Amino acid sequence: DTAVSQTPKYLVTQMGNDKSIKCEQNLGHDTMYWYKQDSKKFLKIMFSYNNKELIINETVPNRFSPKSPDKAHLNLHINSLELGDSAVYFCASSQGEGDQPQHFGDGTRLSIL
Amino acid sequence: GENVEQHPSTLSVQEGDSAVIKCTYSDSASNYFPWYKQELGKRPQLIIDIRSNVGEKKDQRIAVTLNKTAKHFSLHITETQPEDSAVYFCAATYSNYQLIWGAGTKLIIKP
Repeated sequence: DTAVSQTPKYLVTQMGNDKSIKCEQNLGHDTMYWYKQDSKKFLKIMFSYNNKELIINETVPNRFSPKSPDKAHLNLHINSLELGDSAVYFCASSQGEGDQPQHFGDGTRLSIL
Repeated sequence: GENVEQHPSTLSVQEGDSAVIKCTYSDSASNYFPWYKQELGKRPQLIIDIRSNVGEKKDQRIAVTLNKTAKHFSLHITETQPEDSAVYFCAATYSNYQLIWGAGTKLIIKP
């Protein structure tokens, strides 16, 4: 039973489109995250969210927006996709704040044509 | 701003030898230091972590050491095996409990 699951696994789309990536965790964690990993493998935190606050990395364009319908889900919406958005996006969760172990999903590989 | 520097970016060792990856951090209030392993095409997974009240922690062939005075911590892997080949990331908590990540080290185990 997958602890952190994200869909789709692969996403190929045209520049300018709007897309969403879904993430669900069944660990009962109260904090969820979105990361972007580019071709150089650097892991960049985009958002962290718990039921108290959303923390946004100031370098993330406002075309990216997290949406959390409940504690177990944190979806990522991306508007007006650009070539530079091509990357692997990882969802993760932890119990409590960032000083707790994070569990990652398997990633979504986004390719912009 | 706060950052975590990780060295080397690539490390190649002979199978059976030891590997050491080092990270330095800038926030003296950092209190949690995890290490993640990411195999090719897979998700990052926690392999070991240490908190600021401990100087060293071991788990079989891996160990982490922390020097709070110098603000650096290291991952040690002994008796390296082919399955240790991966990218390793260090991280440290920032003052608001956000994790700051290192840039990663690609570890290559030569047969």
